[in-house]
Amino acid sequence: NAGVMQNPRHLVRRRGQEARLRCSPMKGHSHVYWYRQLPEEGLKFMVYLQKENIIDESGMPKERFSAEFPKEGPSILRIQQVVRGDSAAYFCASSPQGNSGNTIYFGEGSWLTVV
Amino acid sequence: DQQVKQNSPSLSVQEGRISILNCDYTNSMFDYFLWYKKYPAEGPTFLISISSIKDKNEDGRFTVFLNKSAKHLSLHIVPSQPGDSAVYFCAAPPAGGTSYGKLTFGQGTILTVHP
Repeated sequence: NAGVMQNPRHLVRRRGQEARLRCSPMKGHSHVYWYRQLPEEGLKFMVYLQKENIIDESGMPKERFSAEFPKEGPSILRIQQVVRGDSAAYFCASSPQGNSGNTIYFGEGSWLTVV
Repeated sequence: DQQVKQNSPSLSVQEGRISILNCDYTNSMFDYFLWYKKYPAEGPTFLISISSIKDKNEDGRFTVFLNKSAKHLSLHIVPSQPGDSAVYFCAAPPAGGTSYGKLTFGQGTILTVHP
């Protein structure tokens, strides 16, 4: 049973370009969470999605960031017009349901570098 | 507003000795806590959790203690092994069990276990 798959693992973008990060949850999981880890900091919640629905986006920056989890295919975190401050590790996690206690599984992360 | 705090950025311990990692929280509504372990370039992996109705939970070499009056929890690793060297995060979901995937993380403590 494959774990949470994230790609790309590393992404380099120039300022002003777009970054797209993909996350395929574990098989049977319908809930996806995105987190961001800035250098020297802990992980910060960004957004919680179910298939075709954004449940909680309280951690998303108001501009340039968006997320989706379509009926088919992976969840995508999209960052438009990237700036240097967007350089971070982005982690996706999934769970079979939203109130599943400790059964939230993280992917290995996508490292975004903005140059 | 840092609701979950790990005030020790790093800890160095000799193999075979006890490692004690500390975590403080400010939100008295938190009722469930988790510890995650993270190796470089990997995602966090769940280690152990504790509900606020308990003051101790043990799993093999890992024990978590919760002091609700002090809003403090600690993770004890006995005996420590070199493979335990990693970053340890404490985390808490919102109270009430409605969204366990929306975690508030501490900043992390880097544990180094020397052979």
